[in-house]
Amino acid sequence: GAVVSQHPSWVICKSGTSVKIECRSLDFQATTMFWYRQFPKQSLMLMATSNEGSKATYEQGVEKDKFLINHASLTLSTLTVTSAHPEDSSFYICSAQRGAGSTDTQYFGPGTRLTVL
Amino acid sequence: AQSVTQLDSQVPVFEEAPVELRCNYSSSVSVYLFWYVQYPNQGLQLLLKYLSGSTLVKGINGFEAEFNKSQTSFHLRKPSVHISDTAEYFCAVSNFGNEKLTFGTGTRLTIIP
Repeated sequence: GAVVSQHPSWVICKSGTSVKIECRSLDFQATTMFWYRQFPKQSLMLMATSNEGSKATYEQGVEKDKFLINHASLTLSTLTVTSAHPEDSSFYICSAQRGAGSTDTQYFGPGTRLTVL
Repeated sequence: AQSVTQLDSQVPVFEEAPVELRCNYSSSVSVYLFWYVQYPNQGLQLLLKYLSGSTLVKGINGFEAEFNKSQTSFHLRKPSVHISDTAEYFCAVSNFGNEKLTFGTGTRLTIIP
């Protein structure tokens, strides 16, 4: 149980275009979902926290107008990278949490590799 | 704010030998501690977590970790590694009442046959 999927697993796009990444909890309802960014050989950096039906909370330094997050249902959150540029190329990982407490385990998706040409 | 330090970026170990992956954290409040494993081209999987109680925590795949509050450490150990343990291991911390995770930079464990 507790499977999280991401789609697509990889995407290549031209500079200036927008890319949408989906994160789904397949066998549980996620009250909270998180979006991370991972650079090569570096750690995961939290970008934002999203709760179903409310606006996402972005970490300091993350442009909310560039990285649009929508948590429309208890099983789906989307990250849209708007007007993507080469510096946005990265590995994007989502996680989903059943409950709203700090003791609840986050279950991670397999990640989406974005390459912007 | 909390932080996590994984001093070893790469650890090569012979098969069936023991291994210890080090993790130190910094926080001004009480913490929860986690170890995650990331196999190639896969997402992170929870190995084990410390929330409270016994400082020795046992996880999946034969791993265990010990919480040492005085040394602010949460080192991961396995008495005998297998080729299948080759992966990236991440230590993470969260504060009481806050579900946000702060990750270390990861340790790549390579098992030598």
